Amino acid sequence: ETGVTQTPRHLVMGMTNKKSLKCEQHLGHNAMYWYKQSAKKPLELMFVYSLEERVENNSVPSRFSPECPNSSHLFLHLHTLQPEDSALYLCASSPEKLAALNTGELFFGEGSRLTVL
Amino acid sequence: QQPVQSPQAVILREGEDAVINCSSSKALYSVHWYRQKHGEAPVFLMILLKGGEQKGHEKISASFNEKKQQSSLYLTASQLSYSGTYFCGTEIGGIQGGSEKLVFGKGTKLTVNP
Repeated sequence: ETGVTQTPRHLVMGMTNKKSLKCEQHLGHNAMYWYKQSAKKPLELMFVYSLEERVENNSVPSRFSPECPNSSHLFLHLHTLQPEDSALYLCASSPEKLAALNTGELFFGEGSRLTVL
Repeated sequence: QQPVQSPQAVILREGEDAVINCSSSKALYSVHWYRQKHGEAPVFLMILLKGGEQKGHEKISASFNEKKQQSSLYLTASQLSYSGTYFCGTEIGGIQGGSEKLVFGKGTKLTVNP
């Protein structure tokens, strides 16, 4: 139990569907992140939010739309995805944005396994 | 900019030692190590800041050689619980310290057998 909860754990969707991934952290952290983890590839940073403000968008296609309504919740809205978007989507949080930390520790959720048919 | 990890995979018997390397083509400000067990969240192990320091976490320690732009993770007397995929994350140097961006390697899969 890392204090970061992701739902759903598994999601199968068609290319024309609209779905959302949810992340909730119970740690009182100010920064939240979305990462994509594909087989045989490194963890890819997608978005960074600090105090509910998006501070980084790592050239992610517009079919992925993040939302951070407050510092405890982070969503990833999915629309007209492609099969190559199938992956494990990991949410993480940290007390502050990475560089401000002494420890630099990210707390990850267990991920949402997405399959796009 | 992505760090290169080696080896890609290693299989050990319980009690054996292993070294996992992480190297970068850029000057590094910090190196972060994480372990991810199958079906679980990645878990933070340690961070090393430039200065060539070495850190330890039980029987897992790491070194950071900023001149060589590389870090090594040492697993001593491995236990079954050490099995998992180990990721290094690197932060390159910026004008005033770090770049504030962490880039991960592809990971090294470690299997410890009885």
